[in-house]
Amino acid sequence: GQQLNQSPQSMFIQEGEDVSMNCTSSSIFNTWLWYKQDPGEGPVLLIALYKAGELTSNGRLTAQFGITRKDSFLNISASIPSDVGIYFCAGQGGRFGAGTRLTVKP
Amino acid sequence: DAMVIQNPRYQVTQFGKPVTLSCSQTLNHNVMYWYQQKSSQAPKLLFHYYDKDFNNEADTPDNFQSRRPNTSFCFLDIRSPGLGDAAMYLCATSRAGGTGQPQHFGDGTRLSIL
Repeated sequence: GQQLNQSPQSMFIQEGEDVSMNCTSSSIFNTWLWYKQDPGEGPVLLIALYKAGELTSNGRLTAQFGITRKDSFLNISASIPSDVGIYFCAGQGGRFGAGTRLTVKP
Repeated sequence: DAMVIQNPRYQVTQFGKPVTLSCSQTLNHNVMYWYQQKSSQAPKLLFHYYDKDFNNEADTPDNFQSRRPNTSFCFLDIRSPGLGDAAMYLCATSRAGGTGQPQHFGDGTRLSIL
């Protein structure tokens, strides 16, 4: 099956810092999706990407669909305490990356 | 205005005793998914329904079954739960257009096995 490699596994940052995480795939994707999951809740969609090279923002979040269609990154600018959670990339077929656990220190 | 509702939020069952988890949606989406998520891991797709068409993942154990009696409801049946089946079970929905469509998740049912 399609392998999704997400990094880093975890990040500990100070409030106000920028964050970057990425996913790579062993095969070409037609869609990249980024979700955030808070404890005890289901994942919530942050950004959806549908075209190679596409760069999309949602508030302080920006994500890009890599030109090769095998990777994507998510950036969070000026992090705040409520950004704490687990961020997942996902592609077609319901495949999820292993997640990036973000901790923000006030 | 919850859109994907899972009941119950917490379920305890005994080893080997069948259990059913339920999911309902108000989005009228064609596709419904069931995922298993163990602690600190990614959600793992078990199966999905595209309307009435059932699609099982190759590595989903036979112990797991699903029913979708209508557009709004979908059930996950675990026939003989083992200790390894303790996990969060997430239901999700999406529009038609393939499994690359954004998914709307419920808040999950956390299953414990005694």
